[in-house]
Amino acid sequence: EAQVTQNPRYLITVTGKKLTVTCSQNMNHEYMSWYRQDPGLGLRQIYYSMNVEVTDKGDVPEGYKVSRKEKRNFPLILESPSPNQTSLYFCASSLTGWDSPLHFGNGTRLTVT
Amino acid sequence: GESVGLHLPTLSVQEGDNSIINCAYSNSASDYFIWYKQESGKGPQFIIDIRSNMDKRQGQRVTVLLNKTVKHLSLQIAATQPGDSAVYFCAENNEVGGFKTIFGAGTRLFVKA
Repeated sequence: EAQVTQNPRYLITVTGKKLTVTCSQNMNHEYMSWYRQDPGLGLRQIYYSMNVEVTDKGDVPEGYKVSRKEKRNFPLILESPSPNQTSLYFCASSLTGWDSPLHFGNGTRLTVT
Repeated sequence: GESVGLHLPTLSVQEGDNSIINCAYSNSASDYFIWYKQESGKGPQFIIDIRSNMDKRQGQRVTVLLNKTVKHLSLQIAATQPGDSAVYFCAENNEVGGFKTIFGAGTRLFVKA
């Protein structure tokens, strides 16, 4: 089944403790992206990647890192999480990035205390 | 379920009626438009897309209309069913500025049985 898989679904952590949210897609998509979704603010892009070893900042990149060492994986790294990063995170992929639809994972609910 | 947005515009329709969800997009240079559906606890799911060289596209029970003159997009759902209850987002893509997808705030659709 074609899908985007992100883990974990739920994560509670404390301020400053490094964490990684994994994302994997099995559709051989070139483009991958991370979003956060907050009430009243909608979906905002954090980082995106057009291909392996190519990443770029989205609208809200501060406090996040990403890497794209393999085509299928695009982990999101929070080196020192803070409470303002409490949010619902979505990973997505698409064939090209600009003229094909995004396929989303089911989200990761992160709480930073 | 997950809260995807507080104070979203809301549309309430009777089961079997047609629904029309509207969206104003922001960038006249945008050339690819997508509608997504987000159910509680899930990631956004692709419904239908349209390119800027078209003004109408039909799928199964759904139709998207594009009016570039007034930068307006609409999603029509025929014979609305309880399973159509969700939050609906429009999104616009363009190559200018780095392959970003800009999402609308979303509309919550309630279907009354």
